[in-house]
This record gives sequence, structure tokens and C-alpha cells, in this order.
Amino acid sequence: IAGITQAPTSQILAAGRRMTLRCTQDMRHNAMYWYRQDLGLGLRLIHYSNTAGTTGKGEVPDGYSVSRANTDDFPLTLASAVPSQTSVYFCASSEAAGGNYEQYFGPGTRLTVT
Amino acid sequence: GQNIDQPTEMTATEGAIVQINCTYQTSGFNGLFWYQQHAGEAPTFLSYNVLDGLEEKGRFSSFLSRSKGYSYLLLKELQMKDSASYLCAPMDSNYQLIWGAGTKLIIKP
Repeated sequence: IAGITQAPTSQILAAGRRMTLRCTQDMRHNAMYWYRQDLGLGLRLIHYSNTAGTTGKGEVPDGYSVSRANTDDFPLTLASAVPSQTSVYFCASSEAAGGNYEQYFGPGTRLTVT
Repeated sequence: GQNIDQPTEMTATEGAIVQINCTYQTSGFNGLFWYQQHAGEAPTFLSYNVLDGLEEKGRFSSFLSRSKGYSYLLLKELQMKDSASYLCAPMDSNYQLIWGAGTKLIIKP
């Protein structure tokens, strides 16, 4: 059982380019989340999905989009990357039912936009 | 607004005890999580408190006072591998976790 996987591990991207960060979980969790983490700041929620077929905006959604076509996958797309999107991106999932709200995190994607 | 306050950095000695405090203000409350994050790695779950009081789990304990908007994480018998950041995260009325910036704990021999 892999838990949550993310790809790529790291990426250097030219400004203006489009990029999709991939996230897959094999725990059949209902909810999935995308966070960014910057030095000195807490994890900030970009987008979330409470169940397949639904998505919602978090604290910092601008410049990002997501889709949740099935339970396992939750890709994050940067339509036109800007240097301020340089960050570490974490995907997480949670059962989000029956009192189980613990979030499990993927290993992260380190993105540099030049 | 929603706000989490925890110390930026703490230093402790191997074998000692350290308490990391967290105060919070959230829109509604459905419990509070503590996570550990080693440098360059993902956060990992440590504890969850939904009722007032102390929850003990091996060397780590977590305390919650809902009326005071206050929690702490207590680490006993510190080991060098405990050097990490510790993240306080209350869960709001929408069951979203609100993350603090974390406390970097440095363990010295």
C-alpha cells in the first residue's frame, strides 16, 4: 500500500508555462486537499474536494485549478505559472467520515518558477 | 478571523521535557491536531484532541482546553530524532484544518 503519491518530486518551470501536479491515493479516502508551504508560513489550503465530483476553493486558490473525476486522483493545474508560485506543494487525503478527519500527506512537490 | 499562535522556535536538551504551546481562534471547533514535520519531509500525525484534558501516547502527550482556546504538546525523554517542526492545527466548523506556522524544536546533546 503506497498511501499517497505525488509527481513530480521536483520541477523547475519557466514563467508562463502550464503545469499539472499529480496526486493519487489508494486508501479510498473521501476528501483530498492541496496545500502550499512557504518558509515561515503555515500550510495554506489551495483547493479541496470532499468527495469525487466536487471541489472547493481554499485560502489561496487564485492561479490554480483542480478536478476530481474519481476517488483516487486529484491533480492540481497551474494554468500560467508565476514566480510567486514557487513553493512546496503537498497533497493530502482524509477519510472525513465517522469522526476520522486525520489527514495523510504525500511526500510533496518542490516547484521553482523562474 | 481565524488565528493560530505558537512559538517560532524552541531549544531543549536531550533527555529533558519540553512543552509546546498553541493558542487558537477559529470559526467553530471540531477538535485539534498536532503534526510533526522533519525538515524536507511531509507532516505526519501525532495526536488529536476533541475533548478537554490530556491524551497520552508514549513519550508524547497533548492537552486541550476548549474554553481557553489553548493546547499544548508535551514531549518527554527527548531524543535527537525529535528535532523537527511541530504544527498545531485546529479544525473549524467546516472540518477544515487551520494550520499554524509551526514550532521548530532544536534538541541539543
